Amino acid sequence: AQKVTQAQTEISVVEKEDVTLDCVYETRDTTYYLFWYKQPPSGELVFLIRRNSFDEQNEISGRYSWNFQKSTSSFNFTITASQVVDSAVYFCALYSGGGADGLTFGKGTHLIIQP
Amino acid sequence: DGGITQSPKYLFRKEGQNVTLSCEQNLNHDAMYWYRQDPGQGLRLIYYSQIVNDFQKGDIAEGYSVSREKKESFPLTVTSAQKNPTAFYLCASSLGTGGDTEAFFGQGTRLTVV
Repeated sequence: AQKVTQAQTEISVVEKEDVTLDCVYETRDTTYYLFWYKQPPSGELVFLIRRNSFDEQNEISGRYSWNFQKSTSSFNFTITASQVVDSAVYFCALYSGGGADGLTFGKGTHLIIQP
Repeated sequence: DGGITQSPKYLFRKEGQNVTLSCEQNLNHDAMYWYRQDPGQGLRLIYYSQIVNDFQKGDIAEGYSVSREKKESFPLTVTSAQKNPTAFYLCASSLGTGGDTEAFFGQGTRLTVV
């Protein structure tokens, strides 16, 4: 069985603060992929990053960074110097061969950036 | 522009009616997916298709049906057997199945039973 847990239902910070969104996953497969998607109020999901289980290098893309730690089964997402436009629901997702050919999503974290 | 188009954006269904949600993609992707999203919940997989004329049930297929007669199109029918159809429905596509390609999503259809 596979599972993704995003324990933070909602986070509210003031603009320019740094914020970290947590993601913990469960899978029995040794090969798997982890994703982060952003869902703005318009509804569509926007792809942010994909990471495979063999690549534990952290990644930075502008104000976004991701910390992948297999030892704790976590794939956390940090936004540095947050902006109002970052307000959205963020989903962590898992793909592993043990499930149907689709992604297993966490319940999402609603991020609110206050001006 | 390349992308995924879902229609309609809003849909109202009476009790006992079947309704069909449209999903079209021009990305030349082989794989297509339907997900359901309920308030405060993540997305759950309804059906997916890896290739034309083939599709598989996901985690919550009961009360839904699909077809894949063309590569570009993957319509979802919500039947009267679906007891709680009010939800936000998202269609996605990817170059292949497996996790080594990302999925692209449409803007969704919000279905309400009246």
